[in-house]
Amino acid sequence: DSGVTQTPKHLITATGQRVTLRCSPRSGDLSVYWYQQSLDQGLQFLIQYYNGEERAKGNILERFSAQQFPDLHSELNLSSLELGDSALYFCASSVEPSAPSGEQFFGPGTRLTVL
Amino acid sequence: GENVEQHPSTLSVQEGDSAVIKCTYSDSASNYFPWYKQELGKGPQLIIDIRSNVGEKKDQRIAVTLNKTAKHFSLHITETQPEDSAVYFCAAQRNTDKLIFGTGTRLQVFP
Repeated sequence: DSGVTQTPKHLITATGQRVTLRCSPRSGDLSVYWYQQSLDQGLQFLIQYYNGEERAKGNILERFSAQQFPDLHSELNLSSLELGDSALYFCASSVEPSAPSGEQFFGPGTRLTVL
Repeated sequence: GENVEQHPSTLSVQEGDSAVIKCTYSDSASNYFPWYKQELGKGPQLIIDIRSNVGEKKDQRIAVTLNKTAKHFSLHITETQPEDSAVYFCAAQRNTDKLIFGTGTRLQVFP
């Protein structure tokens, strides 16, 4: 158990809908990262927050957004969902803004299925 | 942009044999190289990492080697066990930039 929690574990929804994925980092970790894992794309970095502020952006679509709240939990919002958004979404956390000094601890993931 | 190539995509070995997974990175300024193990239904877990000022690092049955000139790094697992079966990801990072992951290697260890 990494100490990072993600809810829900599974999510099934329809095209065009909007969903919110939630992540609670390890106690004491200030950085939260979101990744998308699909079969043909591997692990793709989406976005990073550090202590409530956006720190880095990766291949995140404009239909997706995220935020980190004062209690350091984070939410990833996915809207106007398409079939291709079906994937595993992972959250990771670290103490420092980023490696190499800080190991990233991954949560168990949320499996999103868009029908 | 930066990318990390990982080979092979699948690897099957007999219990007790060694397994080697290789990665090549494109950004010569990368200075941190972690390896993650992902078991079915779980998130990736860091198993070993190496920084650019070191050529080799070992932790029990797991070792990682880094060749900065060739921009290669490899994961070596000796005396493999069935519980080593998982998907392994390499990654590369420059300073505090994002981690760039390889595409993963599915390792199967047969008893």
